[in-house]
Amino acid sequence: AQTVTQSQPEMSVQEAETVTLSCTYDTSESDYYLFWYKQPPSRQMILVIRQEAYKQQNATENRFSVNFQKAAKSFSLKISDSQLGDAAMYFCAYRGSGAGSYQLTFGKGTKLSVIP
Amino acid sequence: DTAVSQTPKYLVTQMGNDKSIKCEQNLGHDTMYWYKQDSKKFLKIMFSYNNKELIINETVPNRFSPKSPDKAHLNLHINSLELGDSAVYFCASSQGWDWQYFGPGTRLTVL
Repeated sequence: AQTVTQSQPEMSVQEAETVTLSCTYDTSESDYYLFWYKQPPSRQMILVIRQEAYKQQNATENRFSVNFQKAAKSFSLKISDSQLGDAAMYFCAYRGSGAGSYQLTFGKGTKLSVIP
Repeated sequence: DTAVSQTPKYLVTQMGNDKSIKCEQNLGHDTMYWYKQDSKKFLKIMFSYNNKELIINETVPNRFSPKSPDKAHLNLHINSLELGDSAVYFCASSQGWDWQYFGPGTRLTVL
């Protein structure tokens, strides 16, 4: 079974600075998808960024980018120019590509605080 | 305009009661899910339906029964509620393997 590990339960960053959240995963599949979701205090789950494993280029969405290292099974999220609104729980998630692999497997999350 | 909606958003009930949570998506997606988020914020899949057919049924007590009357709806019925059922339940939808849109969640509190 696939597992997703987020080794940092909590992190903090100064406003306007850069922070990197770590995620590693375990899988025997060669093709899969990785996601970062954000959950602010409102508890809404918001997709931040996604990465297809067959793509070598790291995904980028505005201030959010990933460092995807397939061989190392690592998928870290970098937030640049941190803003107060970035304070939230961040979840790394994995989804396989085989039949019946629709569901997401989540890590335990990292709580990010942004210091004004 | 809400893509994935859930009702109710908050549910407080006594042990032993039966309750339902409703989910509707207006995105035209063919796959819907129920996830449970426990008190430690851990999210885990419970069920998934594709075109009204159950495709994922994780190890969940049989007191939990999903029902999908059509592709746009996936309801969750819980019988004989227990204290340990207290959690936030999220509905989500996707078009096949594409990324998933989540509903706002239903916070269930069992007293």
